[in-house]
Amino acid sequence: NAGVTQTPKFQVLKTGQSMTLQCAQDMNHEYMSWYRQDPGMGLRLIHYSVGAGITDQGEVPNGYNVSRSTTEDFPLRLLSAAPSQTSVYFCASSYSRWQGEQYFGPGTRLTVT
Amino acid sequence: GQQLNQSPQSMFIQEGEDVSMNCTSSSIFNTWLWYKQDPGEGPVLLIALYKAGELTSNGRLTAQFGITRKDSFLNISASIPSDVGIYFCAGLTITGNQFYFGTGTSLTVIP
Repeated sequence: NAGVTQTPKFQVLKTGQSMTLQCAQDMNHEYMSWYRQDPGMGLRLIHYSVGAGITDQGEVPNGYNVSRSTTEDFPLRLLSAAPSQTSVYFCASSYSRWQGEQYFGPGTRLTVT
Repeated sequence: GQQLNQSPQSMFIQEGEDVSMNCTSSSIFNTWLWYKQDPGEGPVLLIALYKAGELTSNGRLTAQFGITRKDSFLNISASIPSDVGIYFCAGLTITGNQFYFGTGTSLTVIP
């Protein structure tokens, strides 16, 4: 198993550009989520999904969209990048929302200039 | 959103010493998790706790789910250089939808 994979590993965007961060898992996990990590602030939940076709907002959803058309994939879209979205983004998955053992991907480091 | 207060913020200890850190919340959680993060990597799960009062070990690590369900503790015994990293607590809300993370404890082990 590859676990949770994320692409790209690094990305630089100009203000106003859009892009999609990819996340995939091969563990047949129902629950998937996106976090951003900023210095001194821990990880904050952006969006999550409890299964294919079901998504919901987390703590900091503004400026981001998600969809979950398959169990395996959970892409995160930045609609119009802003410097405030400069961060490290982590995707995570777990068997179900009630099972707390989340597995994280390696992260995408995004810089918006 | 929820606030998880994690302390201490950083620790500098000698190799072989024991380490304690804790996490408190203003809300009740159903699950407490402890993660370790190395530079440039994603967090790795160390211990998961599911019941109030539960005490769980993973090698030299021991964690406890507080009786009030609003706190959790992590102890590392006989620290070694590879324990260096940032340790995060996380709590799962009673609705089962969202995890909230603490701000992390940065651990430095001096050989």
